[in-house]
Amino acid sequence: GAGVSQSPSNKVTEKGKDVELRCDPISGHTALYWYRQSLGQGLEFLIYFQGNSAPDKSGLPSDRFSAERTGGSVSTLTIQRTQQEDSAVYLCASSLVPAGGSDEQFFGPGTRLTVL
Amino acid sequence: AQRVTQPEKLLSVFKGAPVELKCNYSYSGSPELFWYVQYSRQRLQLLLRHISRESIKGFTADLNKGETSFHLKKPFAQEEDSAMYYCALSGIGTGRRALTFGSGTRLQVQP
Repeated sequence: GAGVSQSPSNKVTEKGKDVELRCDPISGHTALYWYRQSLGQGLEFLIYFQGNSAPDKSGLPSDRFSAERTGGSVSTLTIQRTQQEDSAVYLCASSLVPAGGSDEQFFGPGTRLTVL
Repeated sequence: AQRVTQPEKLLSVFKGAPVELKCNYSYSGSPELFWYVQYSRQRLQLLLRHISRESIKGFTADLNKGETSFHLKKPFAQEEDSAMYYCALSGIGTGRRALTFGSGTRLQVQP
């Protein structure tokens, strides 16, 4: 089947605008992750959804960032009042989470966000 | 706190030479370690994980708990190995499955 998909692939916005980034995980994967890949910052964790559990939001850099996952599938990452330092590639990943086992995370192609 | 350190930003070798990409970690519990690779214009993908103890594309990595290291090795580098390599840690034992990544090492294999 298809892998993780993300849209849009590129987004250019003006400082102060809100943006929404979408992630479609692999069907059947119960875990969904958002990461950010910035120049000079490497890959950093943002938020993690697992089934019906409360999401792990410990990586969100500020309250301008939020995410939701509807119906245990599609997820949307929202950035309000974007700042230039939000410019990065936003990666989504999903995994199957086998009981007691190690799970491989499958990554999407990313959304490149540029804030002017 | 968990942390992954990859001391080299760039590693350049000639084809056929041995390769070792260094990775050190700090974690208070029992971690799961991974190597992910990103080839040019491709998405990030898993290369190998320590619990599998397998060799993928000629690469191996051994978890050394005493030295808190998980170095990636290959005896003879190939040009197609040129890519960005990320070491990552997951605290699955604590329920934290999100990955903590190192800053990455770019491997350039010259002909």
